Amino acid sequence: KAGVTQTPRYLIKTRGQQVTLSCSPISGHRSVSWYQQTPGQGLQFLFEYFSETQRNKGNFPGRFSGRQFSNSRSEMNVSTLELGDSALYLCASSPEGRGIDTQYFGPGTRLTVL
Amino acid sequence: DQQVKQNSPSLSVQEGRISILNCDYTNSMFDYFLWYKKYPAEGPTFLISISSIKDKNEDGRFTVFLNKSAKHLSLHIVPSQPGDSAVYFCAASPLQGAQKLVFGQGTRLTINP
Repeated sequence: KAGVTQTPRYLIKTRGQQVTLSCSPISGHRSVSWYQQTPGQGLQFLFEYFSETQRNKGNFPGRFSGRQFSNSRSEMNVSTLELGDSALYLCASSPEGRGIDTQYFGPGTRLTVL
Repeated sequence: DQQVKQNSPSLSVQEGRISILNCDYTNSMFDYFLWYKKYPAEGPTFLISISSIKDKNEDGRFTVFLNKSAKHLSLHIVPSQPGDSAVYFCAASPLQGAQKLVFGQGTRLTINP
């Protein structure tokens, strides 16, 4: 079974631009979560989508948004990029996103904001 | 406010010995805990988990211990192997919001031959 895939793997943008990252979950998984990893803050939860609906949300500004499609693929969008948005963005999928479903992570997208 | 803390940024252990990684949490609503391992340029890989109804869970060389009264969990790796060298993250969540994992800062484990 293929794992979680994320595209692109690396991205360089400048301040003020916007960016869209993509995540394809493991086949059959319906829950997709997004995390931001930075050296200073560690891994922080952004949001979770299930059945095309945002079900959980972390403490990030409204510049960070996402969506999920009917095939469970998810995209994350960051508008008006700031230098501090430079990070590794990780996507994780799980079957139902309930109880003790284990989340499986993709390799991440490394975003650099100049 | 760091709800999940891994106070040791790094740990060095000799091959064949026991590696013990520690994690403390502050939120009493957490009742599900996981350990992930991360290599450079890869996403975290799930290792082992434990729910609050247990105090120990074992899977091969990996054992997780949970002390709810102390709000402390630890991961034991026995025996340690060179391939175990990686960054280890502990994570926690309430079962109700199990997808909203709260991670510690990570501990870089180095296994020396």
